[in-house]
Amino acid sequence: GENVEQHPSTLSVQEGDSAVIKCTYSDSASNYFPWYKQELGKRPQLIIDIRSNVGEKKDQRIAVTLNKTAKHFSLHITETQPEDSAVYFCAASSTDKLIFGTGTRLQVFP
Amino acid sequence: NAGVMQNPRHLVRRRGQEARLRCSPMKGHSHVYWYRQLPEEGLKFMVYLQKENIIDESGMPKERFSAEFPKEGPSILRIQQVVRGDSAAYFCASSPTTGSGANVLTFGAGSRLTVL
Repeated sequence: GENVEQHPSTLSVQEGDSAVIKCTYSDSASNYFPWYKQELGKRPQLIIDIRSNVGEKKDQRIAVTLNKTAKHFSLHITETQPEDSAVYFCAASSTDKLIFGTGTRLQVFP
Repeated sequence: NAGVMQNPRHLVRRRGQEARLRCSPMKGHSHVYWYRQLPEEGLKFMVYLQKENIIDESGMPKERFSAEFPKEGPSILRIQQVVRGDSAAYFCASSPTTGSGANVLTFGAGSRLTVL
């Protein structure tokens, strides 16, 4: 089955800097790659997703890139703000179920 | 649209008791997923259901855990004879059947189980 690895596990940045989180997946049939943000004690919320027919997608300060050959995808957050502090999860899906990475705890210091 | 509704939000059980967690998917969604999240850890897939059908239960422990999604009513995750290691947040998610929204999971607020 699918296996998703995520790095780093923790990431601290200064407000205004960029943050990059990387994931790799094992199942070459995977075709859907979402990113979820989870604040402390809250539910995971979808922030951006990409499907295998595109290589990059951007939504304001957030972008995701996908390299299907290398089987990895990345989340880029520019101009980080303190409210970006949360745990971020990547996921991959080849069938109807999502397999999640282990999460990255992002801290943005003012 | 009320979103994915889970109850109870918090549940305390003693070892050996049963826990029942309920999930009502978003209106128009017919797929339900259950994930378990241990403290400070990620989301582990447990089971994927459609109405009256278990599609994939590869993440469910072989014993004590069961799930159903009846024709009428919410999906239920049932844990029998709970142990301390079952303490976790259990998240339910739902998705549409087909179309561009397929695979796009919307999560409920979670049910936090504490086993004493």
